[in-house]
Amino acid sequence: DAGITQSPRHKVTETGTPVTLRCHQTENHRYMYWYRQDPGHGLRLIHYSYGVKDTDKGEVSDGYSVSRSKTEDFLLTLESATSSQTSVYFCAINKEYGTEAFFGQGTRLTVV
Amino acid sequence: AQTVTQSQPEMSVQEAETVTLSCTYDTSESDYYLFWYKQPPSRQMILVIRQEAYKQQNATENRFSVNFQKAAKSFSLKISDSQLGDAAMYFCAYRSTRIYSGGSNYKLTFGKGTLLTVNP
Repeated sequence: DAGITQSPRHKVTETGTPVTLRCHQTENHRYMYWYRQDPGHGLRLIHYSYGVKDTDKGEVSDGYSVSRSKTEDFLLTLESATSSQTSVYFCAINKEYGTEAFFGQGTRLTVV
Repeated sequence: AQTVTQSQPEMSVQEAETVTLSCTYDTSESDYYLFWYKQPPSRQMILVIRQEAYKQQNATENRFSVNFQKAAKSFSLKISDSQLGDAAMYFCAYRSTRIYSGGSNYKLTFGKGTLLTVNP
């Protein structure tokens, strides 16, 4: 699993509140990704990072921001959670010049 | 932009039988990777098999094999001797090999998934 830990694993929050999800890796890989999984959509890329303070948007980035102040942590923030952001969120890493992605165990977020 | 299509939302198979999951994709690139990931009820994403587009030989991993048809842009997964533990959601995914300045070349484009049920 390339030492990936997501926290929390489950969270229920109210509409309009800020939420931060954390992805932590222990192997100092450069490339980290946040995906969301929704029924009928598969997994879609939210944001990704290619180094400390280097981030870029994916295909479904609206309503989300990210930060990466150190190599091991990649944070995903919902500034003001909405019900449409109820989803399962996955963090993934890629080893440089590697082929496959390694995924964390996911965070189930429910916005009520 | 690349797209990945899984046309079978659900499939079922009898234990010990063979099942094939379909995946088609669209790309203008000539070199890329294709993957099948398995997601059991535990939610963990598990890599089942991968295929490099430049390789003509179809990838095989034990009971799992692919039928890669590059011209047709088709990448199906065959599961032989199906087991109860094969029951899961299966995702087909595409990744470019093109080198970009950031990490976007490592990003995955997924299909919507196929839910496989294995009947005893």
